Amino acid sequence: DAGVIQSPRHEVTEMGQEVTLRCKPISGHNSLFWYRQTMMRGLELLIYFNNNVPIDDSGMPEDRFSAKMPNASFSTLKIQPSEPRDSAVYFCASSPGEEGYTFGSGTRLTVV
Amino acid sequence: SQKIEQNSEALNIQEGKTATLTCNYTNYSPAYLQWYRQDPGRGPVFLLLIRENEKEKRKERLKVTFDTTLKQSLFHITASQPADSATYLCALGGAGNMLTFGGGTRLMVKP
Repeated sequence: DAGVIQSPRHEVTEMGQEVTLRCKPISGHNSLFWYRQTMMRGLELLIYFNNNVPIDDSGMPEDRFSAKMPNASFSTLKIQPSEPRDSAVYFCASSPGEEGYTFGSGTRLTVV
Repeated sequence: SQKIEQNSEALNIQEGKTATLTCNYTNYSPAYLQWYRQDPGRGPVFLLLIRENEKEKRKERLKVTFDTTLKQSLFHITASQPADSATYLCALGGAGNMLTFGGGTRLMVKP
């Protein structure tokens, strides 16, 4: 199993541009999570899906952020328009239930 | 509000000693608690899960305790090695398999 696959690994974009982060969870895992990690705030849960349905998006900071999971093998996190304060490492993780998460390698986003 | 506290200062220990990391929480009643390891530039890696009705869990050189009265978990690495150097994160689990993470403690094991 290749694990949780995220793309791109690095993204540098200008303020105001749209950014789309992608995630392929582990096959058979029914829960998918998007986290953001910064030095100041640590790992913050943005949104999570269960069986492709968004369950809790209370961590999404603003309407500029949106996430979708059109099927069990793909999810996207979109930021439009992006701002410098969105710069962080974004992690996707999946889990088969009340067990440990498997995290992807993350996308390091820099908004200039 | 819910709060998870891990020592933000790095823990430096000598190779071969036991490392003990602490995770304290307030305003939370987790059903389970997990520990993760994170290396620079990589995502966290799951290590152990302990449920609220369990006092202790072991896996190889790792041991986790969970005291719901003290609202505290201790994470021990025995016979520590330089390869154990990393940041260790505790995470509290609640409804719907959601995890809330602490800020992590950096462990440095010196040869």
